[in-house]
Amino acid sequence: DSGVTQTPKHLITATGQRVTLRCSPRSGDLSVYWYQQSLDQGLQFLIQYYNGEERAKGNILERFSAQQFPDLHSELNLSSLELGDSALYFCASSVESGGGTYEQYFGPGTRLTVT
Amino acid sequence: GDSVTQMEGPVTLSEEAFLTINCTYTATGYPSLFWYVQYPGEGLQLLLKATKADDKGSNKGFEATYRKETTSFHLEKGSVQVSDSAVYFCALSDGGGSQGNLIFGKGTKLSVKP
Repeated sequence: DSGVTQTPKHLITATGQRVTLRCSPRSGDLSVYWYQQSLDQGLQFLIQYYNGEERAKGNILERFSAQQFPDLHSELNLSSLELGDSALYFCASSVESGGGTYEQYFGPGTRLTVT
Repeated sequence: GDSVTQMEGPVTLSEEAFLTINCTYTATGYPSLFWYVQYPGEGLQLLLKATKADDKGSNKGFEATYRKETTSFHLEKGSVQVSDSAVYFCALSDGGGSQGNLIFGKGTKLSVKP
């Protein structure tokens, strides 16, 4: 158990809908990262938050947004869903392990199926 | 931009065989390198890491050495077990301004037969 929790575990929804994925980082970790894992694209970094502020953006679509709340949990919002958004969405939190290196600990993921 | 290339699987081995999964990277700076493992139905677990050239990361019998001259970080294990069956991901992080965002290879699926 990494200490990172994600809910829900599975989500099935229809095209055009909007969903919210939730992540709670490990106790004491200030950074939260979101990744998408799909068969064709592999594992791709979406966005990072640090202590409530957006820190870095990766390959995140404009239909997707995220935020980190004062209690450090984070939510990833996916809107106008398309079939191609079906994927596993992982959240990770990190701690600096020295020398500017960050070890990331991953949650179990949310499997999103868009029908 | 930065990228990671790892050998495509699947890799099928018999128990107690020697394992090598090749990983090479392209990076403009001096990245940290990682191997993550994903067991069926689970999230990714950090297996080992190396933060500078010639560092060797090791954990659970797995090893990988950061080779700057060949830009490689190959994963090895001397004697695999059935329980090692999983997908292995090589990743890099350039730390610094990116605050540790990971760039992953496509993953290599390992199946170990008894």
